[in-house]
Amino acid sequence: GDSVTQMEGPVTLSEEAFLTINCTYTATGYPSLFWYVQYPGEGLQLLLKATKADDKGSNKGFEATYRKETTSFHLEKGSVQVSDSAVYFCALSDLMYSGGGADGLTFGKGTHLIIQP
Amino acid sequence: GAGVSQSPSNKVTEKGKDVELRCDPISGHTALYWYRQSLGQGLEFLIYFQGNSAPDKSGLPSDRFSAERTGGSVSTLTIQRTQQEDSAVYLCASSLQETQYFGPGTRLLVL
Repeated sequence: GDSVTQMEGPVTLSEEAFLTINCTYTATGYPSLFWYVQYPGEGLQLLLKATKADDKGSNKGFEATYRKETTSFHLEKGSVQVSDSAVYFCALSDLMYSGGGADGLTFGKGTHLIIQP
Repeated sequence: GAGVSQSPSNKVTEKGKDVELRCDPISGHTALYWYRQSLGQGLEFLIYFQGNSAPDKSGLPSDRFSAERTGGSVSTLTIQRTQQEDSAVYLCASSLQETQYFGPGTRLLVL
């Protein structure tokens, strides 16, 4: 079945440091890939997504590129801020057919990111 | 516009009791999903509704769990004879195409 593997934290960085959170996946179909973020005390929010190979998703200074050859979707940010402290989830949706809708998301375990001033 | 809403936000119940959790999806979204988030298991998919099609129940952990969606909109997740291991945050999401938008969740505690 489908699965997502991501580095588990906590990951602790200083403000303005470079961030990479690794994510790899296995899927049987043609997955779309997502990063969701959960800030303290809040619900899951979509951070960025990519729907096909070589697509780059970006939002709020974060980027991730869909690499089919390495089955990866690593999250990066050039200069993190204290406000980026949150739990980040990599996820995939294995879209087996066209026409809208998708299977339930398969999530990684989540990476707790702590940014120190 | 309004996002996905869930109620109640918190629920405390005694072992063996039944509970109902409600989800109001974003208006116009045809797909609705339920997930469970717990410390030990992370985020698990439970059930998926798409339009008027039969739901995908492949993620339901036992026959004590059931869900329905009335009129293609509001959904109710029912847990019968609750057990302590059912304690978790239950998340609902809706989508029009592939991007799912999540509600704030219902935190369930079974004593």
